[in-house]
Amino acid sequence: AQSVTQLDSQVPVFEEAPVELRCNYSSSVSVYLFWYVQYPNQGLQLLLKYLSGSTLVKGINGFEAEFNKSQTSFHLRKPSVHISDTAEYFCAVSDGPRGYNKLIFGAGTRLAVHP
Amino acid sequence: DTGVSQNPRHKITKRGQNVTFRCDPISEHNRLYWYRQTLGQGPEFLTYFQNEAQLEKSRLLSDRFSAERPKGSFSTLEIQRTEQGDSAMYLCASSWDRNSYEQYFGPGTRLTVT
Repeated sequence: AQSVTQLDSQVPVFEEAPVELRCNYSSSVSVYLFWYVQYPNQGLQLLLKYLSGSTLVKGINGFEAEFNKSQTSFHLRKPSVHISDTAEYFCAVSDGPRGYNKLIFGAGTRLAVHP
Repeated sequence: DTGVSQNPRHKITKRGQNVTFRCDPISEHNRLYWYRQTLGQGPEFLTYFQNEAQLEKSRLLSDRFSAERPKGSFSTLEIQRTEQGDSAMYLCASSWDRNSYEQYFGPGTRLTVT
């Protein structure tokens, strides 16, 4: 079975500092990986996805993630955060075309950006 | 705005009552998903529709839960005889078959069972 572990439940960081949100997954087959962001009282918005190809994936709002198959990781990074990046971030894996592409999410990481 | 919409946004009900939520996906999206998100957790898959056919249901979807998608357009999720443990955010997402790896989420319906 597939699963996702987000290693940090909360990450406090100062504005303009770099940040890394960690995500590890387990799967016995090829995976599709995603990062979603959730602002208060809103639905989830896709930040970026890895399906195949280059292991460095760039997304919206200056975020990027690196797929590491040997370490089964898909960490999210941003070189300089803004106050507006304060939100909950979810890493997810999809069961892909073998299934119906349902998403399996981690528990989330709350990013708190302080001035 | 032609995103996924959900109604109501908030629902407070007493234990034992029935509730129904509605999801309107992005037009022409033939795939529709329901997820449940409890406080401090990530969303958990509940069920999936392709057009009007319900193709997968999670074990989380007890007999008190039923979902429909008549005519392959909007979908409803009904919970009968609500329990306090049903309190959660219910999220709907849709996707287009040709790019089904990207799901578009609605704002969710927050259910509180008192």
